Amino acid sequence: TQLLEQSPQFLSIQEGENLTVYCNSSSVFSSLQWYRQEPGEGPVLLVTVVTGGEVKKLKRLTFQFGDARKDSSLHITAAQPGDTGLYLCAGALGNKLIFGTGTLLAVQP
Amino acid sequence: SQTIHQWPATLVQPVGSPLSLECTVEGTSNPNLYWYRQAAGRGLQLLFYSVGIGQISSEVPQNLSASRPQDRQFILSSKKLLLSDSGFYLCAFSPNTEAFFGQGTRLTVV
Repeated sequence: TQLLEQSPQFLSIQEGENLTVYCNSSSVFSSLQWYRQEPGEGPVLLVTVVTGGEVKKLKRLTFQFGDARKDSSLHITAAQPGDTGLYLCAGALGNKLIFGTGTLLAVQP
Repeated sequence: SQTIHQWPATLVQPVGSPLSLECTVEGTSNPNLYWYRQAAGRGLQLLFYSVGIGQISSEVPQNLSASRPQDRQFILSSKKLLLSDSGFYLCAFSPNTEAFFGQGTRLTVV
């Protein structure tokens, strides 16, 4: 059973388009993180959201934590080819760090 | 600064051979340590995690085992590899709730 479901699984868009990735769970998390991973490398932390309803911005990326702390979204404005990669959400359940199913994003020039 | 080292980067092993992947952390004490496996383009499956020396929690029944002989050393092992053990293995440490990853090991069992 996958505790953190991400949608969509794959996304191929043109440079300049906007997109949103969703991370959903039936569990409540004290915090949730988003990571980006490039082929052959480990994931790299982008952001941590802690408070229900919290919104954080990182340049063209906007992250939101759901009010009930069960879900999160990542919105990218004016996507660029450099945004291409695998995006992963993750949440801590006790000492376990659980990762989402992943969203593979390809931004075409 | 905190760093994590994982080796080897790639490994090709025959079916039935043993496995040992090692991960060491620097610049932090008593971190939580994790081993994950990842299929291409997909999320990370938690295999093992450890909150202290000698303390190992297993998440999925499988052909693998883990050990933490020292505070900042985490080892993933197998006595006899199966074809299904092929994959990308990632070690991570977490000083609080966020994870920092090694470069990963691409394991191919032939």
